Amino acid sequence: QQQVKQSPQSLIVQKGGISIINCAYENTAFDYFPWYQQFPGKGPALLIAIRPDVSEKKEGRFTISFNKSAKQFSLHIMDSQPGDSATYFCAARTDSGTYKYIFGTGTRLKVLA
Amino acid sequence: GAGVSQSPSNKVTEKGKDVELRCDPISGHTALYWYRQSLGQGLEFLIYFQGNSAPDKSGLPSDRFSAERTGGSVSTLTIQRTQQEDSAVYLCASSSAGRGYGYTFGSGTRLTVV
Repeated sequence: QQQVKQSPQSLIVQKGGISIINCAYENTAFDYFPWYQQFPGKGPALLIAIRPDVSEKKEGRFTISFNKSAKQFSLHIMDSQPGDSATYFCAARTDSGTYKYIFGTGTRLKVLA
Repeated sequence: GAGVSQSPSNKVTEKGKDVELRCDPISGHTALYWYRQSLGQGLEFLIYFQGNSAPDKSGLPSDRFSAERTGGSVSTLTIQRTQQEDSAVYLCASSSAGRGYGYTFGSGTRLTVV
């Protein structure tokens, strides 16, 4: 119940295309859903995040869509660029006093020039 | 500092030896987390420190793992009698508020046990 399931494991997209990464969870106590972007040799960096009372959040080319009833959320990268090539992790925060994140297993995105 | 600093960036050790990994969080950040990232896996929570509260150690995989945070700042993760399955990238993150918003991760320590 503490898992966050992420798919696909890897994704190849043409430059200018839309990249879509999906995550699903079961624990309804999760209350904050960030996405992290990680480049090789670096730690993950916060990209965008959403709360469960909002169905969509957009920041530039990055959009999170959130479906509370289905317990799913997704990251859409519009007009994907080669510089977006990285590993993306979804996460869910437990509102349990520790506020730790449960992470998905990651999606390796490659955007072809 | 400007970011979360971790050292060493790479560590190769022999099976059975002890290792210490260091994390220097962003100044003023009261919350500090350790995660482990294994190849092809997500980030696995290890331990959490918040101010003077007792740490949440629920993610430590065995009693060979321990961590401390001195003076509410620098943290050290110690792995005793290392095993090959301990090979991973160990990531530290800090946050300005106890509610975990806006984690800032360090670049990690890549541990290889041979």
